[in-house]
This record gives sequence, C-alpha cells and structure tokens, in this order.
Amino acid sequence: RKEVEQDPGPFNVPEGATVAFNCTYSNSASQSFFWYRQDCRKEPKLLMSVYSSGNEDGRFTAQLNRASQYISLLIRDSKLSDSATYLCVVAIRDNYGQNFVFGPGTRLSVLP
Amino acid sequence: DVKVTQSSRYLVKRTGEKVFLECVQDMDHENMFWYRQDPGLGLRLIYFSYDVKMKEKGDIPEGYSVSREKKERFSLILESASTNQTSMYLCASSLKIGTGTYEQYFGPGTRLTVT
Repeated sequence: RKEVEQDPGPFNVPEGATVAFNCTYSNSASQSFFWYRQDCRKEPKLLMSVYSSGNEDGRFTAQLNRASQYISLLIRDSKLSDSATYLCVVAIRDNYGQNFVFGPGTRLSVLP
Repeated sequence: DVKVTQSSRYLVKRTGEKVFLECVQDMDHENMFWYRQDPGLGLRLIYFSYDVKMKEKGDIPEGYSVSREKKERFSLILESASTNQTSMYLCASSLKIGTGTYEQYFGPGTRLTVT
C-alpha cells in the first residue's frame, strides 16, 4: 500500500463548479499536512497547510481527519486558473530531520 | 519571500558524463532536498541534508551523490550519467525548528536529458 494515496483523476469540471479532492495516508505518526499545486512543467508550490481544526483560504477549504488518516481539499467556484495538479503532502519528523511524502497528485482541468 | 534557485533550467548531457546540479536557497533553511519527478511516478526523494556536511539517502540514491559545504547550497552529482537519469530534478528547502515540520519551498527545476 502506498504511503499517500489520492483520487486518481483527472477531474474535468466546468467553471463555477465545486470540486473535492481526497487523500489518505498510512503513517499514523504523520505530523504535518499540506496541499501543493503544480502547473504543467513548473515546480510544486504550497497552496495551503492543513490544520487539525480545518482551515479556509478564500475559495479553498482543507480538512484533516487524523482518526481516519484522511485529508481533503475543497475548491469552490472553480476558475480556469485553478487547472493544475494538486499534490497531497504528509510530513513526519524522524531522527534525521523531516521526511516529506508526496501523493501522486490529482489533475484538475476547469473548462470554460 | 523564499527563493530557491537552480543552476540550469534545461541541460543536455551525454552518457558517461559527470553532471553537477546546483541549488541555492536564501532563507537560511537547515533542510535541503533533491527529488526527481517522472510521469506516472510522482516526486521521488534522492537525497536530503539537514545540516552543513550532513546528508542522508532518500528512496532512490543509486547513481547519485550530494555535497553540502555551505548552508545555502546543496549540489546533486551524477557521477556517470545514464539515459535512465533523464528526468526533471527539483530542489527544495525547509526550516527545521524544534520537533516541528514546515513546508518545503521548491526551485524551478532542471530538466535533464541524457543522450
């Protein structure tokens, strides 16, 4: 079983739609959680950290369920510019420092 | 604003050549990482470093080595490039404070082609 799994995608949605991405992780000792977005042929960029209480940033809402080892990202009122691959990232601190594990990503295409 | 720079955006090398990929960050981050990203395989960790002169193997270190002589600079070395090392190489850095974990910041990537 992979350490971090995401919806396989791709998701093709019309502008204005609401879309939700799911992510599960296997290591119960995971400490920090993030969503990154990656545009085609570009580097991943931090979209938002995910906090235990859930957090919102404009049209984006992230949720964390530690008991179920599940993270989600909700995008409301999708824009064309939201088209990208969304990476779920889980981090754990070990003896050597930080270990970041990336999910395979879910590709989103927002259509006009 | 955190800035992570990589020495080249595109690089073409021949099989057997020694290749150096340089990464520099300007935010005094302790941790630095090298990944490669291939279609269908996602990001895979090659090596990381949590301090000057310290290095640890990631998931796929074979065929690579690294050097961290200064805090801001982390170099990836392909001792003898092979065609299966054709890939996008991404450098990242992050803070290390106490027992916490902090987000990574990525450089723009180096697309390496080995012919």
